Amino acid sequence: AQKVTQAQTEISVVEKEDVTLDCVYETRDTTYYLFWYKQPPSGELVFLIRRNSFDEQNEISGRYSWNFQKSTSSFNFTITASQVVDSAVYFCALSADQPNQGGKLIFGQGTELSVKP
Amino acid sequence: SAVISQKPSRDICQRGTSLTIQCQVDSQVTMMFWYRQQPGQSLTLIATANQGSEATYESGFVIDKFPISRPNLTFSTLTVSNMSPEDSSIYLCSVRRGSGSSYNEQFFGPGTRLTVL
Repeated sequence: AQKVTQAQTEISVVEKEDVTLDCVYETRDTTYYLFWYKQPPSGELVFLIRRNSFDEQNEISGRYSWNFQKSTSSFNFTITASQVVDSAVYFCALSADQPNQGGKLIFGQGTELSVKP
Repeated sequence: SAVISQKPSRDICQRGTSLTIQCQVDSQVTMMFWYRQQPGQSLTLIATANQGSEATYESGFVIDKFPISRPNLTFSTLTVSNMSPEDSSIYLCSVRRGSGSSYNEQFFGPGTRLTVL
């Protein structure tokens, strides 16, 4: 069975603080994909990143960085120097690359990030 | 990325009625999906909309309640039938481009906010 756990339900930080959102996943598949999405108050789901299971390189995009560690089944997301506009619900998701499951995303419960000025 | 539009963006409906939600993509896509997000919850896959055949439903979702059409590679509809207040949710259309390990981007439409009175 596949499962994604985001243990942090809510996080509150002050602007310019760094914040890390945790994501732990479970899967028996050897090939899989991990995603992060941002859902601002408007409700739209914004794609942030996709990571393949065979690529453990960490990635940095501006103030965002992702740490993928297969040994601990984690795919954590760090926002550096947070801003008020980062306030949103962030979802981690998992997808298996099986023909009969292709594209189905299993979502974590989400972490609501509040960045205060 | 894919440009995905949904209609309507929101609606308030009476118990017992049905609502059809449309999803239009700016280019042909292999796979289209319908997700539900209940208030304060994560996203759950309802079904995969297959072009030229019946949709594939996830456990807990049935065709009589959520009939889906996929007449071509850029369009799909989801109907929420015989609605009850428990159906109040955001319904999101999602698309996946291509197939195989080199192509697993998955994007979401803006969502349809449904309130059932």
